[in-house]
Amino acid sequence: DAGVIQSPRHEVTEMGQEVTLRCKPISGHDYLFWYRQTMMRGLELLIYFNNNVPIDDSGMPEDRFSAKMPNASFSTLKIQPSEPRDSAVYFCASSWVTDTQYFGPGTRLTVL
Amino acid sequence: ELKVEQNPLFLSMQEGKNYTIYCNYSTTSDRLYWYRQDPGKSLESLFVLLSNGAVKQEGRLMASLDTKARLSTLHITAAVHDLSATYFCAAGANEKLTFGTGTRLTIIP
Repeated sequence: DAGVIQSPRHEVTEMGQEVTLRCKPISGHDYLFWYRQTMMRGLELLIYFNNNVPIDDSGMPEDRFSAKMPNASFSTLKIQPSEPRDSAVYFCASSWVTDTQYFGPGTRLTVL
Repeated sequence: ELKVEQNPLFLSMQEGKNYTIYCNYSTTSDRLYWYRQDPGKSLESLFVLLSNGAVKQEGRLMASLDTKARLSTLHITAAVHDLSATYFCAAGANEKLTFGTGTRLTIIP
């Protein structure tokens, strides 16, 4: 299995621009998680899906952030408009039920 | 709300020495994970501990779980340079994991 795939690996954008991060979970996994990692706040859970349905988005920082999972093989995390404080590494992870979460390589986002 | 604390945050060890990283969690959890993260890389699962008294070992790393004390430990035996990384514990409640702050481990020759 190729593992969790994320794209892009690096994104540099200017404040106010829309950013879309993409994730392909491991085939057969029914849970998908989006995390954000920063030096100041550590690893934070933003939102997670079960069978493509959002279950808990309480970690999404504000309305500028949105996430979708149109099918079992694809999810997006969108930031619109982006701000410098959104700069972080964004990880996608997937799991089968409550088994181990497997993390993707991450997207390093820099908002200038 | 489940909270997870790790200590120490930073740890410098000499090669060949032993040390322990501690992970405390605040409320009932049904599973405890240890992950490793190399600089600029993703998180790699090391161990999952599911029951009181569980012990898992892989090479120079050994993890244990005491659910009554809400404590997990990661013990490093005879440290070697390639163990330098950041180690995270994560406690599970339902589908979610709550991660500790991480312990940055540096092995000094």
